[in-house]
Amino acid sequence: GQQVMQIPQYQHVQEGEDFTTYCNSSTTLSNIQWYKQRPGGHPVFLIQLVKSGEVKKQKRLTFQFGEAKKNSSLHITATQTTDVGTYFCAEGGGSQGNLIFGKGTKLSVKP
Amino acid sequence: EAQVTQNPRYLITVTGKKLTVTCSQNMNHEYMSWYRQDPGLGLRQIYYSMNVEVTDKGDVPEGYKVSRKEKRNFPLILESPSPNQTSLYFCASSLEWGAGYEQYFGPGTRLTVT
Repeated sequence: GQQVMQIPQYQHVQEGEDFTTYCNSSTTLSNIQWYKQRPGGHPVFLIQLVKSGEVKKQKRLTFQFGEAKKNSSLHITATQTTDVGTYFCAEGGGSQGNLIFGKGTKLSVKP
Repeated sequence: EAQVTQNPRYLITVTGKKLTVTCSQNMNHEYMSWYRQDPGLGLRQIYYSMNVEVTDKGDVPEGYKVSRKEKRNFPLILESPSPNQTSLYFCASSLEWGAGYEQYFGPGTRLTVT
């Protein structure tokens, strides 16, 4: 079935460093959603990308969708301790209406 | 306040004792689903419902049942829980079914089966 591979699984950074997580697929993705889950919390929607080559920004977060729609990335500039959590990408599965989640990247930030 | 609620939030039970985890949303969403989250495996979909009386299996449906008699409620039923169903469960809803709709997650139910 469809799979989205997410790397890295873990990332430890010093506060102020940048962070990037990648989401890859062997097949063309219909769209990509990104979610953030704080420790002990539930996933919260961040953004959706639909168009080839799309780039969206939310303050220090930059989301990209590859030209071939087979990969996506989330980049955080100058991380803060509030960025701690697990970031998931998810693909809308099309006709089945179900989301397929990557396994997530767990970000820890050292003050 | 727009939200998805789940009950109970924590549950410890024994093998074979039937249980139900309730899920309710107040956003008039058509689409609802259940996920389980396990370390290293991420979020995996158990069942989903595109509308009232319409449900379908997700990726890991074995050992679970669901029903959608009303639009707002989507309970998850474990007829005979086993230890491998120990997990963190999330209910989620979205405006409609189909690709591209933001999912709203409940706070989660941590289930332990001994």
